[in-house]
Amino acid sequence: EVQLVESGGGLVQPGGSLRLSCAASGFTFSSSEMNWVRQDPGKGLEWLSYIGSSATSLAYADSVKGRFTISRDNAKNSLYLQMNSLRAEDTAVYYCARYSGTYGLHDYWGQGTLVTVSS
Amino acid sequence: DIQMTQSPSSVSASVGDRVTITCRASQGIRSFLAWYQQRPGKAPRLLIYTASSLQGGVPSRFSGSGSGTEFTLTISSLQPEDFATYYCQQANSFPLTFGGGTKVEIK
Repeated sequence: EVQLVESGGGLVQPGGSLRLSCAASGFTFSSSEMNWVRQDPGKGLEWLSYIGSSATSLAYADSVKGRFTISRDNAKNSLYLQMNSLRAEDTAVYYCARYSGTYGLHDYWGQGTLVTVSS
Repeated sequence: DIQMTQSPSSVSASVGDRVTITCRASQGIRSFLAWYQQRPGKAPRLLIYTASSLQGGVPSRFSGSGSGTEFTLTISSLQPEDFATYYCQQANSFPLTFGGGTKVEIK
């Protein structure tokens, strides 16, 4: 069974940092492209960042470029999102999702982890 | 960036109704369009990819069509479990972008 389990969310002050993790199982993580997507509470979905299977290909949304860093450890079947200089508008549920660039789809999603940026 | 515009933003329908949701892209995206269903408190679920391909395990009452800039998701006979919010997403180019969502509510 494919599972993606995010962790690391919580309450952080504006300007602070947080590192999200996504533990993958049930599929060949090292061959899979991955994305981070977030959702404002009660609002729509926003793609944040992409990483290729070998981490040589990366992409970021303008809203997080220069503040967030995506990475992966294929030996640990894990995906990460380092978030720095957090702002109130970064408050959201953060999802990791397996992505297929060939077909442009996210076929598996984690349950999400809530990040709240507030003083 | 490619803007994705969904309409309507909400629709009220009854069990058994046919429901159609439209998604328009601000520029051509070929067939790189996916549809997702999201129930409250849950992660999105992939329904349709490459505009018209049904994801495995998704009921055949869901169908997608379109190419270029205009796409539709159709639910042929609405079931109780289909009351949810639906999103389109383009994957023609980064940044990937989602539509604003269409909430399907019980009439």
